[in-house]
Amino acid sequence: KAGVTQTPRYLIKTRGQQVTLSCSPISGHRSVSWYQQTPGQGLQFLFEYFSETQRNKGNFPGRFSGRQFSNSRSEMNVSTLELGDSALYLCASSLDWREKYTEAFFGQGTRLTVV
Amino acid sequence: AQKITQTQPGMFVQEKEAVTLDCTYDTSDPSYGLFWYKQPSSGEMIFLIYQGSYDQQNATEGRYSLNFQKARKSANLVISASQLGDSAMYFCAMRGTYNFNKFYFGSGTKLNVKP
Repeated sequence: KAGVTQTPRYLIKTRGQQVTLSCSPISGHRSVSWYQQTPGQGLQFLFEYFSETQRNKGNFPGRFSGRQFSNSRSEMNVSTLELGDSALYLCASSLDWREKYTEAFFGQGTRLTVV
Repeated sequence: AQKITQTQPGMFVQEKEAVTLDCTYDTSDPSYGLFWYKQPSSGEMIFLIYQGSYDQQNATEGRYSLNFQKARKSANLVISASQLGDSAMYFCAMRGTYNFNKFYFGSGTKLNVKP
């Protein structure tokens, strides 16, 4: 069974640019959630998608957006990049909590550096 | 409000000894799950163990066990027979009924295993 795949693993972008990160969940998982991890703020929730619908959103500016496709793959986009967006972005793949609590797996993350 | 507290920023343990990582939580959810993840320096979040709020027995997974005390709202991770490869950051996390698949994370504990 393949794990959660995030691409790319590393990115270097310039301030003002935009970036798209991808997450392919485990087969059969319809929920994908995204987290930003920084040394100062820790792990912060960005948003969660389930069956192509955004069900929950964290406290991030509108520059952060996402979507989910019919095959459950998800993308997140950050526009007008700022230096503070430099972080490790993690996605989590899971069954819906109502189906089975236990399964929740993370990808290896995308490390974004904004210069 | 949902909150996870890990009060040990860093810990040292001698190889082959047992170690307990503390986690306390606060939630208004009637049903919730508690998770522990290991994050090596590579960044990937590795699932270790899960405990459901209605589970009668403490969870165990190999060398990992979860000391769940619901009345005290604590979910401590016990690692038996520590190995050098256990050196990493450890995160306690929770998700519950009211927030779909959103995880709340603690600030983490950096575990160093000494030879």
